[in-house]
Amino acid sequence: EAGVAQSPRYKIIEKRQSVAFWCNPISGHATLYWYQQILGQGPKLLIQFQNNGVVDDSQLPKDRFSAERLKGVDSTLKIQPAKLEDSAVYLCASSLLGANTEAFFGQGTRLTVV
Amino acid sequence: EDKVVQSPLSLVVHEGDTVTLNCSYEVTNFRSLLWYKQEKKAPTFLFMLTSSGIEKKSGRLSSILDKKELFSILNITATQTGDSAVYLCAVVSGSEKLVFGKGTKLTVNP
Repeated sequence: EAGVAQSPRYKIIEKRQSVAFWCNPISGHATLYWYQQILGQGPKLLIQFQNNGVVDDSQLPKDRFSAERLKGVDSTLKIQPAKLEDSAVYLCASSLLGANTEAFFGQGTRLTVV
Repeated sequence: EDKVVQSPLSLVVHEGDTVTLNCSYEVTNFRSLLWYKQEKKAPTFLFMLTSSGIEKKSGRLSSILDKKELFSILNITATQTGDSAVYLCAVVSGSEKLVFGKGTKLTVNP
């Protein structure tokens, strides 16, 4: 079974630039999550989708972050404009049927904003 | 606001030692608690606990949940250097959110 795919693996940008991350969940998984993990901290939920609807985006900084999940499959997370404090690993995860089923994580994208 | 607190934040032990990692939580309409191991980037699933007092076991790892006192422990016996990782505790709320704690960084020295 193919896992959760994310790209790119690494990205370095200057502050005020924009960046986009892509995630392809495991086939058939209805729930997709984007987490931000700053060094030394646990993953922080940015947005959670159930199919192509948003379950929770309460911690997504909506003035600069946006995410979409077209057709309930792939998802993109965008930051525009980036700030220094956005430097982190962005993890995508998916689960079969909601948060009460095991979530599988991708390898993440390490973003460095300089 | 849903909250998951793990302790200790870091732990250094010698091979062969037994360790206990703690996770306490405050969440609206608790559904389940999960433990993950994070070695490099991607956390990998260890256990899901939904009922109090029932131990889940996998090799040298075991975990138990106390829903009355709102905590869980993860035990690792006869630790090995390969157990070195960050162990993450996460809780599923009634709104189906998956919320993580900050993790416990375990270092096992030979």
